[in-house]
Amino acid sequence: DAGVIQSPRHEVTEMGQEVTLRCKPISGHDYLFWYRQTMMRGLELLIYFNNNVPIDDSGMPEDRFSAKMPNASFSTLKIQPSEPRDSAVYFCASSFGTQPARDFGPGTRLTVT
Amino acid sequence: GNSVTQMEGPVTLSEEAFLTINCTYTATGYPSLFWYVQYPGEGLQLLLKATKADDKGSNKGFEATYRKETTSFHLEKGSVQVSDSAVYFCALSDLDRGSTLGRLYFGRGTQLTVWP
Repeated sequence: DAGVIQSPRHEVTEMGQEVTLRCKPISGHDYLFWYRQTMMRGLELLIYFNNNVPIDDSGMPEDRFSAKMPNASFSTLKIQPSEPRDSAVYFCASSFGTQPARDFGPGTRLTVT
Repeated sequence: GNSVTQMEGPVTLSEEAFLTINCTYTATGYPSLFWYVQYPGEGLQLLLKATKADDKGSNKGFEATYRKETTSFHLEKGSVQVSDSAVYFCALSDLDRGSTLGRLYFGRGTQLTVWP
């Protein structure tokens, strides 16, 4: 199994630009999570999906952030417009059923200048 | 509410030294407890877990015991190696009200550096 796949691994963009992060969960997993990691706030859950349906987006910081999961094997996290304070490492994770452990992807390091 | 507090780092040790990283938690229910490890440039990996009081999780020489009386889940290893250098996260999973999915709550992470 290839594990959770994220792309790109690194993204550098200018303030105001649109950024799209991508994730492919482990095949057969029915839960998908997006996390953000910063020095100031640690790991934060942004949103999670169950069977491609968004269940809890209370962690999404503001309307500039949106996430979609058009099918069981693909999800995107979009930031439009991006701001310097969005600079962080964004992790995608997936799991099967309600078991609490998660499989994490390698992360996307986003830098907004 | 639910929260995890772990000792602040960084922790610097010599190879073969004994490691303890403290973790305490606050939970409203009966949580499962986890340690995750993050190697440089990688995502988090599950290191070990314990699902009920007095359970001991173990993996790769690391151990942690679920202590309900002290609400703790301290990570220990008897003899660390250079390859153990990483960031270690303590986490708990508890059911949100009305949910069947355990939500993960992470500590801030502890950076461990092991010198040869």
